[in-house]
Amino acid sequence: GQQVMQIPQYQHVQEGEDFTTYCNSSTTLSNIQWYKQRPGGHPVFLIQLVKSGEVKKQKRLTFQFGEAKKNSSLHITATQTTDVGTYFCAGINYGQNFVFGPGTRLSVLP
Amino acid sequence: EPEVTQTPSHQVTQMGQEVILRCVPISNHLYFYWYRQILGQKVEFLVSFYNNEISEKSEIFDDQFSVERPDGSNFTLKIRSTKLEDSAMYFCASSKKWDRDPSANYGYTFGSGTRLTVV
Repeated sequence: GQQVMQIPQYQHVQEGEDFTTYCNSSTTLSNIQWYKQRPGGHPVFLIQLVKSGEVKKQKRLTFQFGEAKKNSSLHITATQTTDVGTYFCAGINYGQNFVFGPGTRLSVLP
Repeated sequence: EPEVTQTPSHQVTQMGQEVILRCVPISNHLYFYWYRQILGQKVEFLVSFYNNEISEKSEIFDDQFSVERPDGSNFTLKIRSTKLEDSAMYFCASSKKWDRDPSANYGYTFGSGTRLTVV
């Protein structure tokens, strides 16, 4: 079945440094979504990407969908302590439900 | 902002007992889901529900599990004969439109979860 992988599993950064997490699917995706889960919280939807090569920005967050629609990335510029949490990608192939990646846990040291 | 409400927030049950986890999805959403997350691990799909029937279920969702929408607002997950390995956070989610709508920029709205502890 479809598998979604993410790297790195953990990332520790100093406040102000940049952060990137990468998501790879074993199959071509129709859509990919990104979620953020704060410690002890629930996943919160960030964005959905649909088009090949699509790039979307939300303030300091930049999301990219690969040309082959099998990979995606989330880049945070100048991290803040409020960025702490686990970032999940979730991919879907036509006719199926979203499969979540294992997540990247981000720690930001002040 | 509309929320998905889940009750209880924490449930402790003895092994072998049945539990019912409750969810109130967002009122104008049509698609409902249950996910679970074992502590520190990834979010795992259990089941999706649309038009009063299961649309898809994962391998995890075996005969031990069932879902129901007993009225117009509640969406429940029943776990029969609970096992220790059923201990996890169970999240309910709902969405407005079919996932494959290319024009959509909304995802699933998750509830705060029910932490199930089987002892």
